[in-house]
Parts: sequence; C-alpha cells; structure tokens
Amino acid sequence: GAGVSQSPSNKVTEKGKDVELRCDPISGHTALYWYRQSLGQGLEFLIYFQGNSAPDKSGLPSDRFSAERTGGSVSTLTIQRTQQEDSAVYLCASSLTVDLTYEQYFGPGTRLTVT
Amino acid sequence: SQKIEQNSEALNIQEGKTATLTCNYTNYSPAYLQWYRQDPGRGPVFLLLIRENEKEKRKERLKVTFDTTLKQSLFHITASQPADSATYLCALGRGGSQGNLIFGKGTKLSVKP
Repeated sequence: GAGVSQSPSNKVTEKGKDVELRCDPISGHTALYWYRQSLGQGLEFLIYFQGNSAPDKSGLPSDRFSAERTGGSVSTLTIQRTQQEDSAVYLCASSLTVDLTYEQYFGPGTRLTVT
Repeated sequence: SQKIEQNSEALNIQEGKTATLTCNYTNYSPAYLQWYRQDPGRGPVFLLLIRENEKEKRKERLKVTFDTTLKQSLFHITASQPADSATYLCALGRGGSQGNLIFGKGTKLSVKP
C-alpha cells in the first residue's frame, strides 16, 4: 500500500518568504507527527496531531511556525517569513494511534533551503 | 533536562562481525524505547521496540537490550553485512504512552566487505 508522502521533495526559497509543506499520511492513521532534521543533528520534534487536533505544539521553534490537519488526513506545515536557520529536512510521520508503542512511518521528507 | 546520547557518531566494522550500538539517557524514565534505521536522503524506518519490563528483544539478526538501572539500551547486529550500513537512531517516548518521541542523533554504521 501507499506510504507517507510529502511534497515538495525540495524547496528553495528566499529569506522572508512563506512556505507550505504538505504531508499525506497512511490512510487510517490517526496520529501524525512533524519533525525537522538539520545537518548532523538528530530529529527535532515539532508538533503532533491526534485526528485534527494538536495536543502538543511545544516543539514549534517560534510563532512563525504553524501546522494544521484537516479531515483527519492531510497536514500542512507553514513557515512564515523564513529565515536561513529554518533550512533543514522536514519529516512527517504517521502512526495508527498516538500510543507511542506503535511504530511511526516516515515520509521521505522535504528539504528546505532558505537563501 | 532530558538527554539521549548515542555512543559514537560513527562505527566502522568488518563484514561478518557483530556491530554494537549504545543509547544512553538521563533525567528520564521511559517505559519503552524504539530503534530506527535511516538511509541517506530517506526517512527513518522502524526496526524494534522494547519495553521496560523486557530485558531483550530479537528480530532476525537484530537484538536489543534495555537496562533501566544503567539507563542504557544496546543494539546488536550479528553477522553484519555491507547492506546494514546506515544511520541507526534510538528514540524514547515522552509523556507516558502518548506525546512525542525524542530521538538521539544517531550512529552511522559502516560495514566494510
């Protein structure tokens, strides 16, 4: 079956522009997670969704970052007024439930470069 | 603050040998721990989960141990192959059974033929 997909795969944007990153989770998965991975760094948690609600937004680096999920499916991560330090690979994962004893299935990521 | 450390950034071993990767944590009492594999340019792939009441878990050539006293997990790949070359990440759950995973920075394993 289809796995987690993300689009675009690569995004180059100018500093100060807004960007939207999209994640299509595995059908039927109620939990959805956003992480980012900078060069040489581990995965940094950003936000997770249970259905359409986000119980924990504590990982979002600043108020320039926001995310939403509609219909319990697709999610978008929006970064406003991008800065060079936002450059990273943004990874999305989905899981059958928010129970962390279930494995997370990751997408291929979106590589964001802010020039 | 909570911290997860994987023993080394890189580990080089010869084909056929056993690779052992270490994950240590502090200021944390996880009920379980997960291990993932990540290949360049791809997202992590789940390998194994071990719970606090399980000392050891095996899957084919993989073995994971979990010592809550030492606050450490060991990940072993026996009879290693060049195809096992990848970055291996350990992750702990935060907030009980829900919430988010906290990942270590990973250990890059290279298996030479």
